Amino acid sequence: GAGVSQTPSNKVTEKGKYVELRCDPISGHTALYWYRQSLGQGPEFLIYFQGTGAADDSGLPNDRFFAVRPEGSVSTLKIQRTERGDSAVYLCASSPKTGLEQFFGPGTRLTVL
Amino acid sequence: KNQVEQSPQSLIILEGKNCTLQCNYTVSPFSNLRWYKQDTGRGPVSLTIMTFSENTKSNGRYTATLDADTKQSSLHITASQLSDSASYICVVSSGGSYIPTFGRGTSLIVHP
Repeated sequence: GAGVSQTPSNKVTEKGKYVELRCDPISGHTALYWYRQSLGQGPEFLIYFQGTGAADDSGLPNDRFFAVRPEGSVSTLKIQRTERGDSAVYLCASSPKTGLEQFFGPGTRLTVL
Repeated sequence: KNQVEQSPQSLIILEGKNCTLQCNYTVSPFSNLRWYKQDTGRGPVSLTIMTFSENTKSNGRYTATLDADTKQSSLHITASQLSDSASYICVVSSGGSYIPTFGRGTSLIVHP
């Protein structure tokens, strides 16, 4: 595709449920980033992949959050036992390689009731 | 700690007017600074990128300036249009990290 895509665009779930958020980066981009953005705030770094490996997961808030990128392309952000505080827009970005411009997807709006 | 502060937090202007958004940063060592535009419900899109040696860079009606000595940047929007209504985010990259530091953004509303 022409840009980064994310699915679903919106996700409403109940407290305690498990959710998966998907990111399809621009073809050929080796670097992939996940961010979380609350209303009126800038994106907050969660995790960064270089290829298939998580090069930096220091932004994950706790062990309920996990992300994978098994084939170095599509990535899935997984949240277990969701809490109301997890409600936010989750943004994915990809880059041709580390340090170059990041291209963002439209985000997934997660609402935990 | 690396930080990026933006002002004002929000701004309302009339269509056709000019405006200037500010960004102060404490990121070190400095690598580059980007201004992103984020429309409601969309991901951020890069407007300009500036490196240490650049003072001014333009992209259409958008002009960014950088003063690396005072660690300040500004984004000037000329002859604003309704489509300029968005959040503008200042992002600074450090030479020592591949994770950039984001500001909170300035919310700009352009009224007809």
